[in-house]
Amino acid sequence: KQEVTQIPAALSVPEGENLVLNCSFTDSAIYNLQWFRQDPGKGLTSLLLIQSSQREQTSGRLNASLDKSSGRSTLYIAASQPGDSATYLCAVGASGTYKYIFGTGTRLKVLA
Amino acid sequence: DTAVSQTPKYLVTQMGNDKSIKCEQNLGHDTMYWYKQDSKKFLKIMFSYNNKELIINETVPNRFSPKSPDKAHLNLHINSLELGDSAVYFCASSPRGGPNGYTFGSGTRLTVV
Repeated sequence: KQEVTQIPAALSVPEGENLVLNCSFTDSAIYNLQWFRQDPGKGLTSLLLIQSSQREQTSGRLNASLDKSSGRSTLYIAASQPGDSATYLCAVGASGTYKYIFGTGTRLKVLA
Repeated sequence: DTAVSQTPKYLVTQMGNDKSIKCEQNLGHDTMYWYKQDSKKFLKIMFSYNNKELIINETVPNRFSPKSPDKAHLNLHINSLELGDSAVYFCASSPRGGPNGYTFGSGTRLTVV
């Protein structure tokens, strides 16, 4: 059974720092992995989608990497801004299924 | 705007009532989903339809019944609402079936009193 864990659960950093959010999964047979952002009281916004054959994806200040063999993905945020404050969720697309298994989330606060 | 839209955004109702949440997507996606986000913000899949066919039915009380009249719509009907049903319900869609990247709706916050 696929389990997805995110560490840390919460993170508070000063503006301008580079930071890394971690996502671990127990079954390496994944289809892809998607990172989302959720603002309080709002829906989920897709940030990056990494296919199982890819090692990383980049969008602006965001870079997500994937290491299937070790069951890990990281989301790197460069030069963090207060507007980056949100909960970040990773979701693993399970091979042979139609569903994503979500992680527990990392609540990020970037201080001005 | 191309999107996944849910209605209503907020729903407050009494225990025992029956209510429905509607979801529509104009992205041309084949697959639609219902997820429940509990008070600890954990997201868990409930149902999925691919081209109007039910493909995922997780362990959900049978008071919850999804209906997909066409591949652009997926509604969720809940009978005999209980306090524990209070949560945020998210609709999502993805192209071509399978976990091919989700687009989420903005959620429906259900409060049962």
